[in-house]
Amino acid sequence: DTGVSQDPRHKITKRGQNVTFRCDPISEHNRLYWYRQTLGQGPEFLTYFQNEAQLEKSRLLSDRFSAERPKGSFSTLEIQRTEQGDSAMYLCASSLDLAGGHEQFFGPGTRLTVL
Amino acid sequence: AQSVTQPDIHITVSEGASLELRCNYSYGATPYLFWYVQSPGQGLQLLLKYFSGDTLVQGIKGFEAEFKRSQSSFNLRKPSVHWSDAAEYFCAVGSHSGNTPLVFGKGTRLSVIA
Repeated sequence: DTGVSQDPRHKITKRGQNVTFRCDPISEHNRLYWYRQTLGQGPEFLTYFQNEAQLEKSRLLSDRFSAERPKGSFSTLEIQRTEQGDSAMYLCASSLDLAGGHEQFFGPGTRLTVL
Repeated sequence: AQSVTQPDIHITVSEGASLELRCNYSYGATPYLFWYVQSPGQGLQLLLKYFSGDTLVQGIKGFEAEFKRSQSSFNLRKPSVHWSDAAEYFCAVGSHSGNTPLVFGKGTRLSVIA
């Protein structure tokens, strides 16, 4: 399968614990995005990378959140000291940086439940 | 600021009936528009996109959408709905200048009845 993969698919944690999610993009894609989706809402942008450089972070990304993309391949999203409000689906997408049009391919998401 | 409005939270149609899902966007320049579909527990799958050219775009699974600049709309249509089309549909807008984060609407949930 050459699509975007995410691990784990589901994560249940207790409030105050740290969690880390992984995203493996399509291999030739140089752009990688993280979105968060809560119930009844569309995905909301968190952050994105071009290769290993983090280009933008949204206001949704509090100090407890950190994302990395070492070597421009896979990416990790870490949430420290989780809160119940962090419960959501975390979606990863990747795209190829091309002029004249692009498409973001999404992974299946990681569903986080904070108890 | 970019925004997308999907006025219908939930739509129910009979199998075989036609479908139109509404999408209005706010964007300061030429938009890059998408429709994605999400089945329960799944990621988003691209149905179609508009970048430039013909304002009527064809997508997968028999869907089409029409870009109307004067109405800031990009409505999704299908002439005959199948039960397997039941899902959540999201309209999104991006920058025409290149790869940027997408701004999504809140989605429209489609139910299909026999």
